[in-house]
Amino acid sequence: DAKTTQPTSMDCAEGRAANLPCNHSTISGNEYVYWYRQIHSQGPQYIIHGLKNNETNEMASLIITEDRKSSTLILPHATLRDTAVYYCIAPPSNTGKLIFGQGTTLQVKP
Amino acid sequence: GAVVSQHPSWVICKSGTSVKIECRSLDFQATTMFWYRQFPKQSLMLMATSNEGSKATYEQGVEKDKFLINHASLTLSTLTVTSAHPEDSSFYICSASGSASYNEQFFGPGTRLTVL
Repeated sequence: DAKTTQPTSMDCAEGRAANLPCNHSTISGNEYVYWYRQIHSQGPQYIIHGLKNNETNEMASLIITEDRKSSTLILPHATLRDTAVYYCIAPPSNTGKLIFGQGTTLQVKP
Repeated sequence: GAVVSQHPSWVICKSGTSVKIECRSLDFQATTMFWYRQFPKQSLMLMATSNEGSKATYEQGVEKDKFLINHASLTLSTLTVTSAHPEDSSFYICSASGSASYNEQFFGPGTRLTVL
């Protein structure tokens, strides 16, 4: 599976958009990009995934660059409850093998 | 989203005893369930993958005789930590997926195991 690189930590003001970047320069053509988050001492939560088109759901938007080497997860109006570790994962095609890296710790501040 | 439960949420046991952790998909049929382990301040590590009615597939370095996995139905998988030792103390998390996308997984709340 493709290696992903994320910043270790980020801060965001409550009510503002949180933009979390992810580099996946070795991603292959059929590998999707998945985003999960883990709030402290809980199980991870699926957020969104995409292949090459931008995606949006009730939780977030996913912007994937045209060359697919990077992506950005956008939380449009961050709240304190969005404070969590966010993981960007590019697993081998539909194998279920999610390799969790260190992720980005997002701290939403009032 | 789909709901996955785990029981117990935490357990304390003596060294040498066995502990069973249950993982249930409450509102969907999970063709595949996954077990992860997470040590403090570390990320999740996949331990094994189990499909209903068949033997689990373990990741490299995970002892299959120590971590027994049973996936007897489409809604229940169990992980038994046999002869637990203090180094097995960890946060154990299961996840479940349907047949449409194995990469879209729904996670349980986790079980905190402490071995004394």
